[in-house]
Amino acid sequence: DGGITQSPKYLFRKEGQNVTLSCEQNLNHDAMYWYRQDPGQGLRLIYYSQIVNDFQKGDIAEGYSVSREKKESFPLTVTSAQKNPTAFYLCASSISAGAHFTGELFFGEGSRLTVL
Amino acid sequence: GIQVEQSPPDLILQEGANSTLRCNFSDSVNNLQWFHQNPWGQLINLFYIPSGTKQNGRLSATTVATERYSLLYISSSQTTDSGVYFCAVEHNTGNQFYFGTGTSLTVIP
Repeated sequence: DGGITQSPKYLFRKEGQNVTLSCEQNLNHDAMYWYRQDPGQGLRLIYYSQIVNDFQKGDIAEGYSVSREKKESFPLTVTSAQKNPTAFYLCASSISAGAHFTGELFFGEGSRLTVL
Repeated sequence: GIQVEQSPPDLILQEGANSTLRCNFSDSVNNLQWFHQNPWGQLINLFYIPSGTKQNGRLSATTVATERYSLLYISSSQTTDSGVYFCAVEHNTGNQFYFGTGTSLTVIP
């Protein structure tokens, strides 16, 4: 089945530790995104990538890092510099047919990170 | 960025009732999507609707891009419709979607 797989679904970490969230898609989409959701809030964009080896900061990139070495993979690292890392993290992808067209957005099931 | 406002923020319905959810946005958009977030957090695509009207079973949506709003209609609501409904728009500069804060719907039997 085509889709977006995020892992792990639940993750606990101690303060001061970096953690990496995995996102893999087999939809052959060019664009991939990471969003953060806090309780009772909408989604906020952390980073996005339209092509391999290229990515751009979203609205809340501080304390996060990403890489895009393969088209199907877009891992997110939550670093110790992120002041409030406890949140629900969602990965998405879209076809991204051009510079001003993103296409329909599809989401994975999310990863819930708790910092102890 | 672009501002996206959804109303009402919370809605409680008796099973079988109809409802209308609204999404207003502050600038021209290329695209607009409606999502349903289920209790486990997954975002389910409902409609991809930059303009016009679409229907899918008991749900339908209308986007009037020139007036900067979209409406999601839910008819004959069921308890499984409960959850949070999000509107997301892609600014006409492209490349990313901006989300509203959602409408939390509770359908009671």
